[in-house]
Amino acid sequence: SQQGEEDPQALSIQEGENATMNCSYKTSINNLQWYRQNSGRGLVHLILIRSNEREKHSGRLRVTLDTSKKSSSLLITASRAADTASYFCATGKTGGGNKLTFGTGTQLKVEL
Amino acid sequence: DTAVSQTPKYLVTQMGNDKSIKCEQNLGHDTMYWYKQDSKKFLKIMFSYNNKELIINETVPNRFSPKSPDKAHLNLHINSLELGDSAVYFCASSQVGGGTDYEQYFGPGTRLTVT
Repeated sequence: SQQGEEDPQALSIQEGENATMNCSYKTSINNLQWYRQNSGRGLVHLILIRSNEREKHSGRLRVTLDTSKKSSSLLITASRAADTASYFCATGKTGGGNKLTFGTGTQLKVEL
Repeated sequence: DTAVSQTPKYLVTQMGNDKSIKCEQNLGHDTMYWYKQDSKKFLKIMFSYNNKELIINETVPNRFSPKSPDKAHLNLHINSLELGDSAVYFCASSQVGGGTDYEQYFGPGTRLTVT
């Protein structure tokens, strides 16, 4: 069954603006990960946040996790045209083969 | 150096045929995965192997058979291809174990089109 729902499905912003994507999930998790997929390419890992963490930063990326609400958000600050891609959240359980369950994805378009 | 590679990148074939997709990783990971991404970009895990042993086997038709000759390779063989098998198939690898969470590294994908 599908674990994550992402919101919005599509987002179009101007270069320099911030982009926020949200992810909700249904069951308990050990970690939540965000991945980027450029058109026609494989997924690239962006950031991993563990269930006991509330916020994590990596460069222009900021991820929050609220396990009580079973939700996470990805903020990309000062967006660039090169950030245009699909962004997926994935929930993980430690053990059991590190199985990831992916969300539906947010398609981000950053216009010049 | 390519971390996770897949061949072929594109595969066009007719219904009823049998085809294979190969995957190799040079990251020294002990776990590899196959995912299927449909036309709506929904990504779903199919299989996972750890040190050549099957550890995740989602509800996938038994026409799909993964084979892991060693921990650096995980191939996917598909028998009697159907139109609904058309999708992009991704191979991935990760380190697993030690009670730690790890990210996965994905290959470039194989776009399979069944006509």
